[in-house]
Amino acid sequence: EAQVTQNPRYLITVTGKKLTVTCSQNMNHEYMSWYRQDPGLGLRQIYYSMNVEVTDKGDVPEGYKVSRKEKRNFPLILESPSPNQTSLYFCATNPGGGGYTFGSGTRLTVV
Amino acid sequence: GEDVEQSLFLSVREGDSSVINCTYTDSSSTYLYWYKQEPGAGLQLLTYIFSNMDMKQDQRLTVLLNKKDKHLSLRIADTQTGDSAIYFCAASGGYNKLIFGAGTRLAVHP
Repeated sequence: EAQVTQNPRYLITVTGKKLTVTCSQNMNHEYMSWYRQDPGLGLRQIYYSMNVEVTDKGDVPEGYKVSRKEKRNFPLILESPSPNQTSLYFCATNPGGGGYTFGSGTRLTVV
Repeated sequence: GEDVEQSLFLSVREGDSSVINCTYTDSSSTYLYWYKQEPGAGLQLLTYIFSNMDMKQDQRLTVLLNKKDKHLSLRIADTQTGDSAIYFCAASGGYNKLIFGAGTRLAVHP
């Protein structure tokens, strides 16, 4: 079954404590991306990757890092989380046109 | 910049048709999408339309695209309580991202 798997689903952390949200896909897609969802704003792109070792900033990259060392994985790293990064995060893949497949989401709370 | 707008709320009676509207600004968007999000859940791709199409029908769902006015709509026929959710309109911003609207919350009442 084609899947985008994110972990964890829920995370509560404290300001400044580094964390990583993992994303893995089994569809062999080159393109992967991260979005955050906030009420009234829809989803906004944080970072995307067109292929292994190729990443680029989206619309709201401040405070985030990503890496793409292998095709299937695209982790999102928050080096020093702050409360304004409390949000619902989604990883997505795309085969190069057509529908994007999203993961189930990670709800992050930074206190 | 690129923008997608949609109304925030829609309330319909069970069995009626629902129409959710969306406007977008980027005339070069190749694909336009409708996603559904149920409470506590992820994003489910409902349907998408290629920009050279005017209409797409898939069972109870009908998508209409007016490219001249940059207007997209989603019609749900015979709306059921299980259709209650947030519906997101999205436009492709080149190959590398989707531009989302804020989402329309659809409430279906008896």
